Amino acid sequence: EVQLVEAGGGLVQPGGSLRLSCAASGFTFNFYNMNWVRQAPGKGLEWVSFISGSSSNVFYSDSVKGRFTISRDNAKDSLFLQMNSLRAEDTAVYFCARAVEMATIGDNWGQGTLVTVSS
Amino acid sequence: SQGLTQPPSVSVSPGQTASVTCSGDKLADKYVCWYQQKPGQSPVLVIYQDSRRPSGIPARFSGSNSGNTATLTISGTQATDEADYYCQTWDRSTGIFGTGTKVTVL
Repeated sequence: EVQLVEAGGGLVQPGGSLRLSCAASGFTFNFYNMNWVRQAPGKGLEWVSFISGSSSNVFYSDSVKGRFTISRDNAKDSLFLQMNSLRAEDTAVYFCARAVEMATIGDNWGQGTLVTVSS
Repeated sequence: SQGLTQPPSVSVSPGQTASVTCSGDKLADKYVCWYQQKPGQSPVLVIYQDSRRPSGIPARFSGSNSGNTATLTISGTQATDEADYYCQTWDRSTGIFGTGTKVTVL
């Protein structure tokens, strides 16, 4: 069974940093592209970042480019999101998602981890 | 990058057909997929590559994509289909979600 378990969320002050992780199991991790998606309270889904299976391609939304860094450790079946210079508008539940079919963002999703940016 | 516009809400009676639209510039040139999200839960993929259903998704869910509009159709809608639905595509290297539609089964 495919499982994605996010961790690392919490309360952080504006301008601070946080590192999210996503532990994957139930599939061959390095075969699949992965994404981070966020959802602000009461709002819709927003794509944040993409990383290919080999880490050779990474993409970011304009709203996080230059502040967030996506990475993965295929030896440890783990996905990461380093978030710097956090702003109040980054407050959201962050989901990791596995992309299987062409042009999807998430065929499988984790349960999400809440990031709150507030003083 | 382009945006994807959905109606904020759609209401449907049990057993009837619900249609959710997703509008974007030349959308038919891209693959569109659809996600269902119930309150407090993670999204679930219900349609990919415009009209394909993942394993385990009921056949009452179908999709199409033509011109500037993609459509998710739920035939014989059940109370359990009440949820938010999001379309999604890629524009160059940017992932894009639609604005979301709340489907209410009255």
